[in-house]
This record gives sequence, structure tokens and C-alpha cells, in this order.
Amino acid sequence: AAGVIQSPRHLIKEKRETATLKCYPIPRHDTVYWYQQGPGQDPQFLISFYEKMQSDKGSIPDRFSAQQFSDYHSELNMSSLELGDSALYFCASSLGGKEEGEKLFFGSGTQLSVL
Amino acid sequence: AQKITQTQPGMFVQEKEAVTLDCTYDTSDQSYGLFWYKQPSSGEMIFLIYQGSYDEQNATEGRYSLNFQKARKSANLVISASQLGDSAMYFCAMKETQGGSEKLVFGKGTKLTVNP
Repeated sequence: AAGVIQSPRHLIKEKRETATLKCYPIPRHDTVYWYQQGPGQDPQFLISFYEKMQSDKGSIPDRFSAQQFSDYHSELNMSSLELGDSALYFCASSLGGKEEGEKLFFGSGTQLSVL
Repeated sequence: AQKITQTQPGMFVQEKEAVTLDCTYDTSDQSYGLFWYKQPSSGEMIFLIYQGSYDEQNATEGRYSLNFQKARKSANLVISASQLGDSAMYFCAMKETQGGSEKLVFGKGTKLTVNP
């Protein structure tokens, strides 16, 4: 079965650079979530989209932005990178609101290292 | 306030034995969902099991079962016949609904080590 696809798997950037993370949800899933997981931490919610509209916003820095496109894939854009942005970034998708939408499935994550 | 509490930072179990990972939650919602995810050292977040608040029976998925005690607000994960490959971090999570949107809130996790 198709899963959530994230790219790239690993990303190394310098301070003050920009980064773009991509997420391709499971086919037919209309809701996408972004999470940030620091070393030894639990995942923290950043932002979510339902039917290409932002549906909720968590602890996402103003330097970060995200959107969901017409094909339902999503991109997380990160600017003016800081050392503290080094983390594992997860994307998850669900069927939002429908019975099967109770389950969120995660991608393998993008490991971002800021040097 | 912490909405998901996992009181066991680390747990050890012998191969082939059963183990219970604890999770308690706090919510005033009538309808909610509880999840368990496995995160091996490779980093991916693997969905294990889901329990809806209105589900009358405890959820089961192969060797995983969820001991759901609604009155006590607990949703413990039981892994039967532990295998070496079960060694990983386990996160309990609750789907939180606010203002029409939903997101998962995670506990701090329990690191399970299966010994041969």
C-alpha cells in the first residue's frame, strides 16, 4: 500500500540558509500535518492543511511557511535557518473527518541538520 | 497541562514475554481518539493501533492490543510475545479537536528494550 512520501530524507544546511521540505500524502488523503521532533523529544505540531486550506497552526516560527497544493502535496519552507531548527520533520496525512480519517499515517521524516 | 502522560521513560522485557506500556490522558471532549506509534532508531513513525472513545471493545492489531479504561482515562499498550525487533521508542498520542481542526498531541514516549 502507498504510504506518505517525504523528500529529501536528509538535508544539511548552513545557518541563515533556506530549506524546502516536501510531502506527498497517501492517495485520497485530504489532510496533511507537519510535525517537528527535536533530539530525544516528542513530536511537536507545526501546521495542518485540509483541502488545501490551512486548518490549524501550532508552534511554527514566523520564519517557516507551508502550503498544500492542488494535487494535495505539501511543502514546508524554512528561511533564515538557525542551529535550533536541526530536527526530524514529519509529515502525516489522513482522510480528515471521515471514519478512516481517525488514523494519521506518518512519512519517514526529513532529518534537517543546520551547521 | 500535559494531556498525554507516559510515566515509564524506559522499559525492559525478555524476548517472548508480554509487556505493558502505560498511557494516561486528560481531555474534556466526549469524542476523541487514542493512538500508539512505534519509532525505531531509524526514525520513522509507525502507526500501531487506534482506539476511538466510543469503541466498546479494546482495539487489537496482531500482537498489539490496547487496554482502554475510559473511566480511568488510561490507554495502555500491551505487546504480547515480545521480539527483538520491538526494541524502539513508543509514543502514545491523542487526537485533539479544537475549533473544528484536529491534531495529534504526543506523550514523551517510552523506550522499550527487548533482551534476548
